[in-house]
Amino acid sequence: DVKVTQSSRYLVKRTGEKVFLECVQDMDHENMFWYRQDPGLGLRLIYFSYDVKMKEKGDIPEGYSVSREKKERFSLILESASTNQTSMYLCASAGGTGGWEQYFGPGTRLTVT
Amino acid sequence: GESVGLHLPTLSVQEGDNSIINCAYSNSASDYFIWYKQESGKGPQFIIDIRSNMDKRQGQRVTVLLNKTVKHLSLQIAATQPGDSAVYFCAETPFGSSARQLTFGSGTQLTVLP
Repeated sequence: DVKVTQSSRYLVKRTGEKVFLECVQDMDHENMFWYRQDPGLGLRLIYFSYDVKMKEKGDIPEGYSVSREKKERFSLILESASTNQTSMYLCASAGGTGGWEQYFGPGTRLTVT
Repeated sequence: GESVGLHLPTLSVQEGDNSIINCAYSNSASDYFIWYKQESGKGPQFIIDIRSNMDKRQGQRVTVLLNKTVKHLSLQIAATQPGDSAVYFCAETPFGSSARQLTFGSGTQLTVLP
């Protein structure tokens, strides 16, 4: 089974702090994604990566950056956290010989105070 | 951008009844559709998918129907159980999307009543 893990389930940070969210997948997938999930808005794509060191902006990249130095790891960085970045962050991966389905991690609930 | 939406944000069904969750999409070029289930405190979990060259696909207790004429997708759950209580999302990926991107709907909360 595909396993996608995220470094923290819950995180509380202060406004202005730099925040790192880590995601690791164990299925050698080429593609990895970061979403945020807010009530009534569904999942919105922040950034995705289709290969090591490659990244593409999603629908809401402002205030975020990403890093993919190794195939299995995809990091989301909040350069200067703000209260409107309080949200659930979900990481996903897709690829290999499977279909187009994405496999999700358990999520990180980030609160910025 | 394209929108993937749901007809109702909430749905309540009696245990044992069948559930039908609907989804409308706007991109006629969409080639592939997926249904996800998200239980409280967990990440979305793949349920079933369907390609645009199909009208129907069945899984274990679930059936997905695709009507390309009216751009409508539905998920049918047979003999709904308490464990089916969750938020259900439809998602689509346009034809030719190379990075396996998905566009998600806002979700329907399914509640199974005893």
